[in-house]
Parts: sequence; structure tokens; C-alpha cells
Amino acid sequence: AAGVIQSPRHLIKEKRETATLKCYPIPRHDTVYWYQQGPGQDPQFLISFYEKMQSDKGSIPDRFSAQQFSDYHSELNMSSLELGDSALYFCASSPARDRDGYTFGSGTRLTVV
Amino acid sequence: KQEVTQIPAALSVPEGENLVLNCSFTDSAIYNLQWFRQDPGKGLTSLLLIQSSQREQTSGRLNASLDKSSGRSTLYIAASQPGDSATYLCAVQGSGRRALTFGSGTRLQVQP
Repeated sequence: AAGVIQSPRHLIKEKRETATLKCYPIPRHDTVYWYQQGPGQDPQFLISFYEKMQSDKGSIPDRFSAQQFSDYHSELNMSSLELGDSALYFCASSPARDRDGYTFGSGTRLTVV
Repeated sequence: KQEVTQIPAALSVPEGENLVLNCSFTDSAIYNLQWFRQDPGKGLTSLLLIQSSQREQTSGRLNASLDKSSGRSTLYIAASQPGDSATYLCAVQGSGRRALTFGSGTRLQVQP
């Protein structure tokens, strides 16, 4: 079965650089969520999109932005990277019927040096 | 604001034991509760999803219960195996907000 695809799997950036993470949801899932998981931390919600519109916003820094495109894939853009941005970034998708729950991608490990 | 707590934070058991992981949440107005497994540095694998109207779900050696009124869920693992070693995360979805709120997880080590 198709899963949530994230790219790249690993990314190394220097401070003050920019990074773009991509997420391809499960077909027919119309909602995409982004989470950040720091070392030894639980996942923290960043932002979500429903039908290409931002639906909810969590603890996403102003330096980050995201969008969902017409094919439902989403991109998380991160600028002016800081050392503290080093984390696992997960994307998840769910269908309109939330009762089917979330499916998470394998994540992108971002290391800022 | 929803808060999710998991007890214990870490657990080490010999192979074959039955064990219980606990999850509590402060706001009982939830839409559903999901248990995940995470291996070190890896993604989140969904184990069980319990809707707010349900009391339990079972999958193989796993059984999860939900007591919404008391704000508690338990994950029961029968006949534990070394391959069960991982961090187990409980997450709740609020009735209004679609985002998940996670607990800090229980790190399980099953000794062969």
C-alpha cells in the first residue's frame, strides 16, 4: 500500500541557510500535517493543510513557511536555519474522515551545523 | 490546552512477560486516541486507533483500552519479544483541533 513519502531522508545545512522539505501524502488523503521532533523529545505539531488551505497552526517559527499544492503534496520551507532547528521532521496525512487516523512518513533528519 | 502523560518513561522486562503502558490526558473531549511505535531515529508506526466512542481495540498481541471519562488509555502487550523493543507513543486528537498531541513516550526494552 502507498505510504506517505518524504524527501530528502537526510539533510545537512549550515547556519543561516535555507532548506525545503517535501511530503507526498497517501492518495486521496486531503489533509497534511507537519511535526518536528527534537532529540529526545516528543513530536510537536507545526502546521496543517486541508484541501490546500492552512487549517491549523502550532509552534511553527516565523522563519518557517509551508504550503500544499494542487497535487496535494506539501513543502516546508525553512530559512535562516539555527542549530536548534536540527530535528526529525515528520509529515503525516489523513483522509477527510479523521476516524481513519494518521499515517506518518519516515521523516527527514535535518542537521544544522 | 491538552496535556498527555505517559507512565512509565522507561521499562525493561524479560522476554515473555505481559506488560501495560499507561497514557493519561487532561481534556476528555477527544476525537480519537492513537498508539504509535517508534524505533530509534525512525518514523512513527501506527499500532492502534481508538475512536472516542470505542472502549478498546486489538491487533495481534496488542490491546489498547480507552476510558475517556477518566482521561486514560492503556496499551497491553502480551508475551513480549525482543523485537518489541522501541518507544511507544500515545497521541490524542482533540474534538476541535485535528492536530495530535503526543505524550513523551515509554521506552521499552525486552531482554532476550
